[in-house]
Amino acid sequence: AQSVAQPEDQVNVAEGNPLTVKCTYSVSGNPYLFWYVQYPNRGLQFLLKYITGDNLVKGSYGFEAEFNKSQTSFHLKKPSALVSDSALYFCAVRDDAGNNRKLIWGLGTSLAVNP
Amino acid sequence: SQTIHQWPATLVQPVGSPLSLECTVEGTSNPNLYWYRQAAGRGLQLLFYSVGIGQISSEVPQNLSASRPQDRQFILSSKKLLLSDSGFYLCAWSKDRLYTEAFFGQGTRLTVV
Repeated sequence: AQSVAQPEDQVNVAEGNPLTVKCTYSVSGNPYLFWYVQYPNRGLQFLLKYITGDNLVKGSYGFEAEFNKSQTSFHLKKPSALVSDSALYFCAVRDDAGNNRKLIWGLGTSLAVNP
Repeated sequence: SQTIHQWPATLVQPVGSPLSLECTVEGTSNPNLYWYRQAAGRGLQLLFYSVGIGQISSEVPQNLSASRPQDRQFILSSKKLLLSDSGFYLCAWSKDRLYTEAFFGQGTRLTVV
């Protein structure tokens, strides 16, 4: 069965430090992986996706994510965190096995960047 | 460019009253459409999705229903709201391809009192 895990409910990081938000997945076929960000009382905004090709994917607002097939992970990273990066982050996956078009979502990780 | 509109932004309704939330997409045709509910600011629960006019798939049995009367219009309804229907409701659309991302509306905060 498809699943996504975000093992950390909350991540705290100091402004200027690198940040990592973790995501692992389980699919039957090849994964299509996505990261979204949600600010309070707002809809989700798409950050980046991995489809195929280079394992390091660059996205919006200086974020990037690394696809690791052997570890079935797709961790979100940023070299230098900003206070404005504080938000809720969601990882999601689809796979190309079967006829399922739905996104499977992680439960979200709350990122707090401290000044 | 494509845009998605969802309204209202906030809604306070008494228990037992009806509900109608509307979502429209502009700038694309034949989108996949989704209704999600987010409880307590965390995980997303898929309520309904639609791949075409009149085609609605329900993910969980509940007090809500959805309709797609037009290609780019998706409506979430209830005949009688329950307290447990309170939450943050999000509409989204995507192209019908596995590798495409979904785009979300701004959400509706529903409080049933």
